[in-house]
Amino acid sequence: GENVEQHPSTLSVQEGDSAVIKCTYSDSASNYFPWYKQELGKRPQLIIDIRSNVGEKKDQRIAVTLNKTAKHFSLHITETQPEDSAVYFCAASIGTNAGKSTFGDGTTLTVKP
Amino acid sequence: GAVVSQHPSRVICKSGTSVKIECRSLDFQATTMFWYRQFPKKSLMLMATSNEGSKATYEQGVEKDKFLINHASLTLSTLTVTSAHPEDSSFYICSAQRGGRNSYEQYFGPGTRLTVT
Repeated sequence: GENVEQHPSTLSVQEGDSAVIKCTYSDSASNYFPWYKQELGKRPQLIIDIRSNVGEKKDQRIAVTLNKTAKHFSLHITETQPEDSAVYFCAASIGTNAGKSTFGDGTTLTVKP
Repeated sequence: GAVVSQHPSRVICKSGTSVKIECRSLDFQATTMFWYRQFPKKSLMLMATSNEGSKATYEQGVEKDKFLINHASLTLSTLTVTSAHPEDSSFYICSAQRGGRNSYEQYFGPGTRLTVT
């Protein structure tokens, strides 16, 4: 089955700096890669996603890059703010059935004011 | 938007009793719903996939007789934890997916905190 590895497990940055979280996946058939932000005790919220037919996608301060050859994808957050502090999960899935996703172990991001 | 609700948000039950958790898609029809379990500071572990009108598909290691899943309509799925034990205490989250082509996204419920005493 699919295996998703996520690094780092914890990340601390100064407000205004950039944060990068990386994930690798094992199944070359995976074609949908969402990123979720989860605050303590809350539901995961989709913040950005990318499909395998594109290499990069950007939404304001958040961007995701995908390298299908190397089977890795990354989340980039620029101009970080304290409210960006949360746990971030990457996931990979095959086909249109996004729910059958394999999640990474999560990255706890702390943005220091 | 796509809103998913869960009820209850928190529940405390005694060991040996059963607990039912409801997951509802409020403004869309969900052909597929998913149930996850999340331990503190850990990732989401998929327990089962629930399709409306058919039996749920359980992930390896998840006891289907202990975690009963019913997807009776396109807007409601239920998870019943039977004969609960303290080790079943966890955060249970459901998600729902629209049907149709390009239905990539899943929408998560707010989760249910189960404590078994």
